[in-house]
Amino acid sequence: GAVVSQHPSRVICKSGTSVKIECRSLDFQATTMFWYRQFPKKSLMLMATSNEGSKATYEQGVEKDKFLINHASLTLSTLTVTSAHPEDSSFYICSAPGVAGDIDTQYFGPGTRLTVL
Amino acid sequence: GQNIDQPTEMTATEGAIVQINCTYQTSGFNGLFWYQQHAGEAPTFLSYNVLDGLEEKGRFSSFLSRSKGYSYLLLKELQMKDSASYLCAPMDSNYQLIWGAGTKLIIKP
Repeated sequence: GAVVSQHPSRVICKSGTSVKIECRSLDFQATTMFWYRQFPKKSLMLMATSNEGSKATYEQGVEKDKFLINHASLTLSTLTVTSAHPEDSSFYICSAPGVAGDIDTQYFGPGTRLTVL
Repeated sequence: GQNIDQPTEMTATEGAIVQINCTYQTSGFNGLFWYQQHAGEAPTFLSYNVLDGLEEKGRFSSFLSRSKGYSYLLLKELQMKDSASYLCAPMDSNYQLIWGAGTKLIIKP
């Protein structure tokens, strides 16, 4: 099946620094990728839709200047958390749409756990 | 608005059967997904229903009633490794998945 990877899997950083998270589709091309964040015991929240070759589409309430998204190629999207603060600590997950048999589904990356001190 | 309702937590015994219910309200409907999520990991795809009825896949089955805005995930012959959160995610008219908080399933020996 299709595989989506994320790097790093875990990052700890100081408040005020920027952190870049990479999402790669390993064996298929993804013109669109999705970025989610998940707080403990809470649902996945869609942050933005990353579009190859054009600007990302952000969900209401998500600061585009704080969460920079770049979809550099058909297999790579990056999320940069700029000037990170402790409240940005969360589990960030990316996904890419694909097909499993006849079903349109989402392939999720393993997630990146960000801890901001 | 869009809304997903699932029980927060359920407990079941190893070897038994458990049914996790989900009711939803979405703007349009393009099918419903069930995902499994182990603690600290990303969700993994379990099933997809777009037509009414029961879809069986091994130990897991999923049911959909579009008119009632209702789905359930049925897990048979429960194993300890089935302890996880189960996420019901309908897809709206924009093909966007709407996520609830999931149901935490605890399996006891």
